[in-house]
Amino acid sequence: SQTIHQWPATLVQPVGSPLSLECTVEGTSNPNLYWYRQAAGRGLQLLFYSVGIGQISSEVPQNLSASRPQDRQFILSSKKLLLSDSGFYLCAYERGGAEETQYFGPGTRLLVL
Amino acid sequence: SQQGEEDPQALSIQEGENATMNCSYKTSINNLQWYRQNSGRGLVHLILIRSNEREKHSGRLRVTLDTSKKSSSLLITASRAADTASYFCATDTGRRALTFGSGTRLQVQP
Repeated sequence: SQTIHQWPATLVQPVGSPLSLECTVEGTSNPNLYWYRQAAGRGLQLLFYSVGIGQISSEVPQNLSASRPQDRQFILSSKKLLLSDSGFYLCAYERGGAEETQYFGPGTRLLVL
Repeated sequence: SQQGEEDPQALSIQEGENATMNCSYKTSINNLQWYRQNSGRGLVHLILIRSNEREKHSGRLRVTLDTSKKSSSLLITASRAADTASYFCATDTGRRALTFGSGTRLQVQP
């Protein structure tokens, strides 16, 4: 069966510090991978998606970057966090082929102070 | 405004009642999906309805799609306290990513 992991679950970071959030998927090969951000009480904003190793598409210009060093690993990073980077970060995968459903990880809650 | 927008933003009902949530969108779609999110958790896929389908059922869930009106509804019958969550519609327009609405927060009172 497939599973998706995210860590850490919660993170409190000072403004200007770096960030690295990790997402890994098990049980499927060559998935499409996604990073979303969700502000409190709001919908999901797509940040990045990846259809393969080293292939990253950015949906919005921002302070964040993403990398996919391995087939089932997706990393969200920042060199210097801003207050506005606070939020709930969700990773999701979509199985290859005709699969259209996205499966979400448990999320990382980031608070930038 | 967003591709998918849910209505109402919040809904409070008694256990056993039916809950109806609506979603409107703006552009042509391949399919529309509904997801559920418990507070502070990831989203869970509920149901997918394709653009050539008008109605779909899954357990206590019933989804309708009207492509002429660019709208969809999610009906939860005989609601339970455990149905308390936020519900999101997401549209697949053929781009590589889904577009999510801002959600409906459902509160089911026991």
